[in-house]
Amino acid sequence: ILNVEQSPQSLHVQEGDSTNFTCSFPSSNFYALHWYRWETAKSPEALFVMTLNGDEKKKGRISATLNTKEGYSYLYIKGSQPEDSATYLCAFCESRDKIIFGKGTRLHILP
Amino acid sequence: SQTIHQWPATLVQPVGSPLSLECTVEGTSNPNLYWYRQAAGRGLQLLFYSVGIGQISSEVPQNLSASRPQDRQFILSSKKLLLSDSGFYLCAWTRGRDEQYFGPGTRLTVT
Repeated sequence: ILNVEQSPQSLHVQEGDSTNFTCSFPSSNFYALHWYRWETAKSPEALFVMTLNGDEKKKGRISATLNTKEGYSYLYIKGSQPEDSATYLCAFCESRDKIIFGKGTRLHILP
Repeated sequence: SQTIHQWPATLVQPVGSPLSLECTVEGTSNPNLYWYRQAAGRGLQLLFYSVGIGQISSEVPQNLSASRPQDRQFILSSKKLLLSDSGFYLCAWTRGRDEQYFGPGTRLTVT
């Protein structure tokens, strides 16, 4: 059974501080890795699609890195804002059709 | 542009009753379609995915079934609901490595 682990499960961060969290996935049969942002009462929305070892992607204050050889990806948020409060999901794609989600990291930004 | 619809938005049904949730996609052809469930306190669990009409892959054996009668229609069904079927059901579509696009979801409560 393929396992996608995200840590920490929950995180409280002071507004203005920077933070990061981890997604671990199998290091074999890598096809792609996705990061999603899931706000309460909404649907998950894609942040990044990462396909190559060493990929670094950035969108505003949020960035992500990928290491497929060791099976991990980091998501970074710089200068956290209240609107960053959400659950951040990573999804490991073993093939075009098979995608496995982690349980997410729930981020709370404290004013 | 592509749009994904799910209905109903909210559903309350007694144990033992049947279920039918519908998902339709507009603005794309031959998408991969997915059904996910988030149970209380858990992550996003892949239930079924489909790469084409009539093609269904099941990830978790349970009392649910899925069908894809048309290219852009994906249906989740059950003949007899269990209490454990309660949760938030999301439909999603994707093309290849691209990120998944999620529908608005259905909140199912089995009483």
